[in-house]
Amino acid sequence: DGGITQSPKYLFRKEGQNVTLSCEQNLNHDAMYWYRQDPGQGLRLIYYSQIVNDFQKGDIAEGYSVSREKKESFPLTVTSAQKNPTAFYLCASSKGTSGNTGELFFGEGSRLTVL
Amino acid sequence: SQQGEEDPQALSIQEGENATMNCSYKTSINNLQWYRQNSGRGLVHLILIRSNEREKHSGRLRVTLDTSKKSSSLLITASRAADTASYFCATTNDYKLSFGAGTTVTVRA
Repeated sequence: DGGITQSPKYLFRKEGQNVTLSCEQNLNHDAMYWYRQDPGQGLRLIYYSQIVNDFQKGDIAEGYSVSREKKESFPLTVTSAQKNPTAFYLCASSKGTSGNTGELFFGEGSRLTVL
Repeated sequence: SQQGEEDPQALSIQEGENATMNCSYKTSINNLQWYRQNSGRGLVHLILIRSNEREKHSGRLRVTLDTSKKSSSLLITASRAADTASYFCATTNDYKLSFGAGTTVTVRA
């Protein structure tokens, strides 16, 4: 079945460590996104990519990095520079690109806890 | 930045009742979408309404859009326990989707 797979589902990190969250899609979508969700809040956009080898910062990119070397994959690295990384991270993809963002398909999320 | 704001923040209803939640936004949009999120899970797309549409139906869902008031509403009719979730509106402006903080709906059996 087509969909988006995020891993790991749960991740614990010590302060000062970088961690990478995986996101893979087999929907043949051009656009991919990373969102952060804090308890009781909406989603905030971290980074997005409309095409392979290209990505843009969202609203809260500081302390995060991404790469888009393959259409199917959009990993997110939470660096030690991110001051408050404990959150629920959601990856999404869509067919639409600039100017025509349609339905987003989401993964099941990765919950990162900093100890 | 969050574009949409849902109201109310939380809603508790009896099974079989209707649930209505509203979304207001600030700037012009291409379309508006509603998503559902079960606790600890990813979001699931429910319905998309374009800026030139006023009403849309999908099963027990009815969405309205009033671009003059920059607002939308989501109505869930004949609610079921399985409708217990958080509901988010999301607005599209150019290339990205901006989400509100959501309405948490609890359906009591």
